[in-house]
Amino acid sequence: DVKVTQSSRYLVKRTGEKVFLECVQDMDHENMFWYRQDPGLGLRLIYFSYDVKMKEKGDIPEGYSVSREKKERFSLILESASTNQTSMYLCASSLDGPHLGEQYFGPGTRLTVT
Amino acid sequence: QKEVEQNSGPLSVPEGAIASLNCTYSDRVSQSFFWYRQYSGKSPELIMSIYSNGDKEDGRFTAQLNKASQYVSLLIRDSQPSDSATYLCAVSDNFNKFYFGSGTKLNVKP
Repeated sequence: DVKVTQSSRYLVKRTGEKVFLECVQDMDHENMFWYRQDPGLGLRLIYFSYDVKMKEKGDIPEGYSVSREKKERFSLILESASTNQTSMYLCASSLDGPHLGEQYFGPGTRLTVT
Repeated sequence: QKEVEQNSGPLSVPEGAIASLNCTYSDRVSQSFFWYRQYSGKSPELIMSIYSNGDKEDGRFTAQLNKASQYVSLLIRDSQPSDSATYLCAVSDNFNKFYFGSGTKLNVKP
């Protein structure tokens, strides 16, 4: 069974704080993804990583950075949190090739920035 | 134009009926197609993958793909109230492009 875990289910931070969201997968997947999901806007890709230390910008990378030092771990960093980053953050992982779209999601982190 | 288009719904069907969810995509290089189910407050869960034209059945679910028309659909037979959720369509080029639709909300009424 694929398991993707995220460090927190709920997080409350203050404007301007640096925020770290951690994601770990246990299935040796090459690809890992960070999305945010807001009502009416669907899933929006922030960044994805196809290998250790490799990353690609998604649709909305502004205000975010990522780190992938080990294959199983993918971190999302909010350099200086702002209220418009209040959202549900979802991490996912997948294999390569035809399985790129077979993404397994973590439970999500609901981040509130006050 | 969005890469993946879905009617947002809600689509309401009575219990026991067939629910038909539709999705169109714009990128002709798309090779793989997926349906996800997302319950309210939960994360998306993969329920079906389809890679070639035609139908693929898995229990009460049937995915249908028509690459010429750039159309993929999901049929849910004998719909149950527990099927009430948002269904996301996703497509991939098997290389580095993948797109999610915004989802169709399905309500199955007892």
